[in-house]
Amino acid sequence: DVKVTQSSRYLVKRTGEKVFLECVQDMDHENMFWYRQDPGLGLRLIYFSYDVKMKEKGDIPEGYSVSREKKERFSLILESASTNQTSMYLCASSSRRAEGAYNEQFFGPGTRLTVL
Amino acid sequence: AQSVTQPDIHITVSEGASLELRCNYSYGATPYLFWYVQSPGQGLQLLLKYFSGDTLVQGIKGFEAEFKRSQSSFNLRKPSVHWSDAAEYFCAVGAVAGTYKYIFGTGTRLKVLA
Repeated sequence: DVKVTQSSRYLVKRTGEKVFLECVQDMDHENMFWYRQDPGLGLRLIYFSYDVKMKEKGDIPEGYSVSREKKERFSLILESASTNQTSMYLCASSSRRAEGAYNEQFFGPGTRLTVL
Repeated sequence: AQSVTQPDIHITVSEGASLELRCNYSYGATPYLFWYVQSPGQGLQLLLKYFSGDTLVQGIKGFEAEFKRSQSSFNLRKPSVHWSDAAEYFCAVGAVAGTYKYIFGTGTRLKVLA
């Protein structure tokens, strides 16, 4: 059974704290993604990675950074959390069997982050 | 720029009734299209996908979708809705070649009346 796991389901942090969200996949997927989900806005891409140590900015990277030191793990970092980063964060992974092919994404259960 | 539009934010249907959720996309080439479902408090699960070939695609849980190039649409259908289908549904497009990005619609929340 394929799995994408996220380190926390719920997280409460204070403004200014450094926050780490961890995502691990066990499918040997090349691509990994971080999205944030807000009501009425759907899923917005923060960062994605197509290989170890490689990263690309998504649509809303400001205030976030990422790390991918191992193929199976993709971390999202909020350098200094702010209240407007209160949201649901979803991690996803996908394989890249052929150049340009868009295979389905597998999603983790999400982390609901509240910044006070 | 590529985009995905789900014009219905909320839809309410009675159990046993048919369902159609709309999705329109803007993309220059042949798109890779997906429908995902998100149950409350959960991540997204793939319902079905279209890459090429037969334009009527069958998915899990009795869902199907039809790709219509002339209308730039990929609407999701189910002939008889069950109460357990209450969830949020997202349409997505595989984006510009070489970026591995996906573009998601804003979602349609389905409510099922008993």
